[in-house]
Amino acid sequence: DAGVIQSPRHEVTEMGQEVTLRCKPISGHNSLFWYRQTMMRGLELLIYFNNNVPIDDSGMPEDRFSAKMPNASFSTLKIQPSEPRDSAVYFCASRAWTSSHNEQFFGPGTRLTVL
Amino acid sequence: AQTVTQSQPEMSVQEAETVTLSCTYDTSESDYYLFWYKQPPSRQMILVIRQEAYKQQNATENRFSVNFQKAAKSFSLKISDSQLGDAAMYFCAFLRDTGTASKLTFGTGTRLQVTL
Repeated sequence: DAGVIQSPRHEVTEMGQEVTLRCKPISGHNSLFWYRQTMMRGLELLIYFNNNVPIDDSGMPEDRFSAKMPNASFSTLKIQPSEPRDSAVYFCASRAWTSSHNEQFFGPGTRLTVL
Repeated sequence: AQTVTQSQPEMSVQEAETVTLSCTYDTSESDYYLFWYKQPPSRQMILVIRQEAYKQQNATENRFSVNFQKAAKSFSLKISDSQLGDAAMYFCAFLRDTGTASKLTFGTGTRLQVTL
């Protein structure tokens, strides 16, 4: 299995632009998570989906952030408009409900820089 | 809400020696899971070890072991025979799992340096 796939790995954009981050979870996994990592706030859960349905988006910082999961193999995190304070590493993770170990498998992350 | 505290921003250990990273957490739950994740410079989050709260026996994975003290809400990671490849950020994480709901709460991390 290729693991969780994220694209792009690096994104540099200018303030005000729309940014879309993409994630392909591990095949067969039921839950998908979006995290943000910054020096100031560490790792924060933004939102997670169960069977493509958003369950908890309380970590989404504001209305400029939105996430979708149109099917079991794809999710997007969109920021519109982007701001310099959105600069961070964004991780996607997935998990299989059948796992007794409750392990979340992380993607390699997308490093976002907003100028 | 659960909180996870890692009080050591940085630690250093000599190669082949043993180091212990501290983690405490706060929860009112009785059933939960605890994890240690490693994040090397590549940024990849790698699961090192897990512990189920209902298990009294401390988890071990090769050179990695934990000291889980449920009453004290403490979950430290011991790395034995440290290797250069162990140098990374280490994150302690708490999971309150109600089946399909699974939110990981992370500590702020400990940066581990391994010296020759």
